[in-house]
Amino acid sequence: QQQVKQSPQSLIVQKGGISIINCAYENTAFDYFPWYQQFPGKGPALLIAIRPDVSEKKEGRFTISFNKSAKQFSLHIMDSQPGDSATYFCAANWMDSSYKLIFGSGTRLLVRP
Amino acid sequence: NAGVMQNPRHLVRRRGQEARLRCSPMKGHSHVYWYRQLPEEGLKFMVYLQKENIIDESGMPKERFSAEFPKEGPSILRIQQVVRGDSAAYFCASSPEQYGYTFGSGTRLTVV
Repeated sequence: QQQVKQSPQSLIVQKGGISIINCAYENTAFDYFPWYQQFPGKGPALLIAIRPDVSEKKEGRFTISFNKSAKQFSLHIMDSQPGDSATYFCAANWMDSSYKLIFGSGTRLLVRP
Repeated sequence: NAGVMQNPRHLVRRRGQEARLRCSPMKGHSHVYWYRQLPEEGLKFMVYLQKENIIDESGMPKERFSAEFPKEGPSILRIQQVVRGDSAAYFCASSPEQYGYTFGSGTRLTVV
């Protein structure tokens, strides 16, 4: 119930293409869904986040799409660049334990020049 | 603003030794969290501390692991009698409140 399932495990995209990473959850009490970007040797950094009262949030080339009824959310990276090559993690938490993030297993993205 | 500082960056310990991981939160942050990342896996919550208090240690293994955040000084994650399965990256994060936290660059522990 506290899991967040992430796919795919790895993704290769050509420069300029769209990268799409998907996550699914079971716990309907989750109310905050962030995405983190992690470069090798670094800690995860918050990229973008959404709450379930909206279906989409866009920040620059990064968009979260949220489907509450399906309990799924996804990250879209438009015009993918080689500098976007990193591992991406979706996560979730809930108000009663707002400090405790439940992470997906990660997607390793490689953007080819 | 120096960010969340973790040291050492890399730590090698023999089986049975103790590992001490340090985390200095960002200035003004009084909430500290520790997460563990096993190879090819996502981060798993271990413990949440405020100054001199453990708020939630539900993710900590019952034995050999302990954490503290004293009134003065960094937060310490201590692993006694390390085993090979403890090899992982340990990340600390801090926040001014119970959300919106910033991660450090982690300590990579290798048990040989």
